[in-house]
This record gives sequence, C-alpha cells and structure tokens, in this order.
Amino acid sequence: AQSVTQPDIHITVSEGASLELRCNYSYGATPYLFWYVQSPGQGLQLLLKYFSGDTLVQGIKGFEAEFKRSQSSFNLRKPSVHWSDAAEYFCAVGARTGTASKLTFGTGTRLQVTL
Amino acid sequence: ETGVTQSPTHLIKTRGQQVTLRCSSQSGHNTVSWYQQALGQGPQFIFQYYREEENGRGNFPPRFSGLQFPNYSSELNVNALELDDSALYLCASSARAGGDYGYTFGSGTRLTVV
Repeated sequence: AQSVTQPDIHITVSEGASLELRCNYSYGATPYLFWYVQSPGQGLQLLLKYFSGDTLVQGIKGFEAEFKRSQSSFNLRKPSVHWSDAAEYFCAVGARTGTASKLTFGTGTRLQVTL
Repeated sequence: ETGVTQSPTHLIKTRGQQVTLRCSSQSGHNTVSWYQQALGQGPQFIFQYYREEENGRGNFPPRFSGLQFPNYSSELNVNALELDDSALYLCASSARAGGDYGYTFGSGTRLTVV
C-alpha cells in the first residue's frame, strides 16, 4: 500500500527566505505525486503535480518540486517566501483502487512566515 | 466554471444520529470523491463515484455511503455517528474517471459529533 511521510510538522521561515518542505513516499510503481496547499477554512488547492518526464516540476505561486526516485522523495521548494504563503502543505501520491483514482496524503506541514 | 460547493459549512450532530452532507460539482465533472480530514491529519479517501456508481472505496465502514446524481451533485451519508467522525469532509470532482487526478476540491463541511 502506498504511503506518504512529511517529517516536518511545523516550519517557520522569515519572509524572503528560501523554503524546502520534505516529502517521502512509498509506492510500488511509478508514482503520481502532488503538492496541495490548504489555507484555514479552505479546501485544497493544487500547487503542482508530477506524472512523468522532467523530474523538476514547476507549479503555481512560484513553487517547484523535484522528484528523486532513488530517495523516494518529492520535496517542495520556493526561493523566496511571501507572508501569504503561510498555510498547511500536503504532499500526496495518486494510486488506483478498483477503477477509482485516490490520493493518499501525508499529515501535512504547517508553514509559518515571520515578517 | 462555478467550482465545487459544499453544504452546510458547519454542522453539529449527536452521537448515534445520521447526517447528510452535500456537494455540487463543476458542470461536466462526472467523477466525485469524498475525503475525511481529522484535525491535524491529512485527508483520507472515503470513496469515489463515477457516473452515479461507486467505483472505489477506502477503509471506511458501510455506515458511510454516498449518492451521485445526474446534475453533478452528490451526497455523503453517515449513519450511527460516532465521536471519531468529527472531521472536515471534503468533496473533490473531476471531469475524468481518475484520468489525470485533476480534482477540484470544495471548502469542506466541518462536522462535530457530540
């Protein structure tokens, strides 16, 4: 069965500093990988996804992620964080169950941005 | 595009009661999934409906059931509510049956069981 681990529960960075959120996955086949962001009281917004091809994926809001098969990782990065990036970030792996597609999420990393 | 709308936004129920949560998907989205997000956790897959039939289910008991209607709306029903059912319930819709995982999530219904 697939699983996702986000080792950092809470991260605090200063505005303008760089950011890296860690994600490790376990999946038997080539994974479909995702990063979502959730602001308080809101649903999930897709930041970026990896299906195949170039292992460096660009997303919205200036985020990028790099797929490293050898490390089973899909870390999210941003070169300069803005105060509006404060939110909960979830890494997910997509897999089939029956004929359905489901997302298995990690427990999330809460990002706090200090001014 | 009207997005995914869920109702109600908040709900308080008593243990043992039944609850129905509603989701209105984007037009043309024939696939809907439901997720349960407990406090401090990531969302967990409950089930998925494609063209009004359940086509996949997570590790949830049968008292969690659903319906999908031709007008792109859907329902999540939970019978015999337990305290552990307190969570944010998210609906996600897609235009393809798991094709590209291009899900649009609603803002969720916060269910509190007392």
